[in-house]
Amino acid sequence: GNSVTQMEGPVTLSEEAFLTINCTYTATGYPSLFWYVQYPGEGLQLLLKATKADDKGSNKGFEATYRKETTSFHLEKGSVQVSDSAVYFCALSQYYGQNFVFGPGTRLSVLP
Amino acid sequence: DAGVIQSPRHEVTEMGQEVTLRCKPISGHNSLFWYRQTMMRGLELLIYFNNNVPIDDSGMPEDRFSAKMPNASFSTLKIQPSEPRDSAVYFCASSSNVDYEQYFGPGTRLTVT
Repeated sequence: GNSVTQMEGPVTLSEEAFLTINCTYTATGYPSLFWYVQYPGEGLQLLLKATKADDKGSNKGFEATYRKETTSFHLEKGSVQVSDSAVYFCALSQYYGQNFVFGPGTRLSVLP
Repeated sequence: DAGVIQSPRHEVTEMGQEVTLRCKPISGHNSLFWYRQTMMRGLELLIYFNNNVPIDDSGMPEDRFSAKMPNASFSTLKIQPSEPRDSAVYFCASSSNVDYEQYFGPGTRLTVT
């Protein structure tokens, strides 16, 4: 079946550091890929997405590129802020949204 | 749109009691998902509906859990009887057949003592 693997956290960075959170997936065909973010005490929010190979999703300074050859969708940000502290979930969707799979989440803490 | 609405936001109950969680999806969305989140197990899909019909309930932990979607604008998740191990945050999410992105509600924090 489909699955998503993320780097284990927690990840702790200083403000303005470069961020990478690795995500790889297993799926047949061509899934859509997503990054969701969960701030403390809130539900998950869509951060960015990519629907086909080589697409780049971007939002709020975060980027991720759909790499079919490596089945990856790594999340990056050039300069993190304290307000980016949250849990980040990689996810995939296939078959018209019926097969939506979330990764385990990676907790990010950014220190001032 | 107000987004996905869940109630109550917090629920504290005693073991053995019945608990009902409620969800109103975004208008026009035709898929609805119930998730449970704990520190130990992370985010787990319990059940999802498409056009009010349950499609996959393989994540429902046991017969104590049941979910209904009587119409396109309302769903319930019921636990009867509740147990302390059911303590978790329960999320409802909805999506449309246009972009399949899931939109999450704020969650219901359930504590069973």
